[in-house]
Amino acid sequence: SQQGEEDPQALSIQEGENATMNCSYKTSINNLQWYRQNSGRGLVHLILIRSNEREKHSGRLRVTLDTSKKSSSLLITASRAADTASYFCATDGNFGNEKLTFGTGTRLTIIP
Amino acid sequence: NAGVTQTPKFQVLKTGQSMTLQCAQDMNHEYMSWYRQDPGMGLRLIHYSVGAGITDQGEVPNGYNVSRSTTEDFPLRLLSAAPSQTSVYFCASSYRQGKGRYGYTFGSGTRLTVV
Repeated sequence: SQQGEEDPQALSIQEGENATMNCSYKTSINNLQWYRQNSGRGLVHLILIRSNEREKHSGRLRVTLDTSKKSSSLLITASRAADTASYFCATDGNFGNEKLTFGTGTRLTIIP
Repeated sequence: NAGVTQTPKFQVLKTGQSMTLQCAQDMNHEYMSWYRQDPGMGLRLIHYSVGAGITDQGEVPNGYNVSRSTTEDFPLRLLSAAPSQTSVYFCASSYRQGKGRYGYTFGSGTRLTVV
C-alpha cells in the first residue's frame, strides 16, 4: 500500500507562478523526502526534512512538515519551464533510511 | 563517478523467460533497493538490501529474487516472466542513516515488456 499520497494529481500553472503540492502519509516517520522525475528518467532527490523539523528551504524549494496531521507540502517559487516534471514524496516509515515508500506523485506542468 | 548504473535500458521478454536486471553503484552506499513504477501507481518497493549479504522483501517481491554479494552490485532476477511484470524498474542506493546524507540516488531505469 502507498504510504504517501500526493495532492493534486496534476497541476498546471503559468511560468513565474508558485506551485504547491501536498503529501499525506499514514504512519510515524523519521524523515520525509521529496523527489523529482522528468519524463522517462530516474528520480532525483530534492530535499529531506526530519520529523523534528517544521520547515526547510533549498533554493526555490520550501518544504513544510506537520507530523500531527501527517502531511507535508512542497512549494516551488517563481516556477520555470524546466520545473515541469512529476514530484513524489517518500517516507521511511520509521525504519530509518533502509527503505522508502513513495506516493503516487503530482504531475506539474509549467506553461511558458 | 558514475552513480547508479542499470543495464539493460530496454528489454522485451516472452512469458516464462527469465532474466537478470543489473545494478551497480560506485558510491560505497550501504543501502540498495529495487522499485517498479507502473502508471498511476507510483513506485513500489520490490526488494532492498542494507549491506552485502543482507536482503529483504519489499511490498511486491513475488516473482523476483535478489542477492547482494558485494557492496557495489545488486542484481534483480525475474524467475519466470509474466505480462504483469511489464513495468519500468529502478535501482537506487543510499548511505545508511547516521552518515548525514540520506537521499537516494536512482539509476536511469530499465523498461521491461513481457509479451
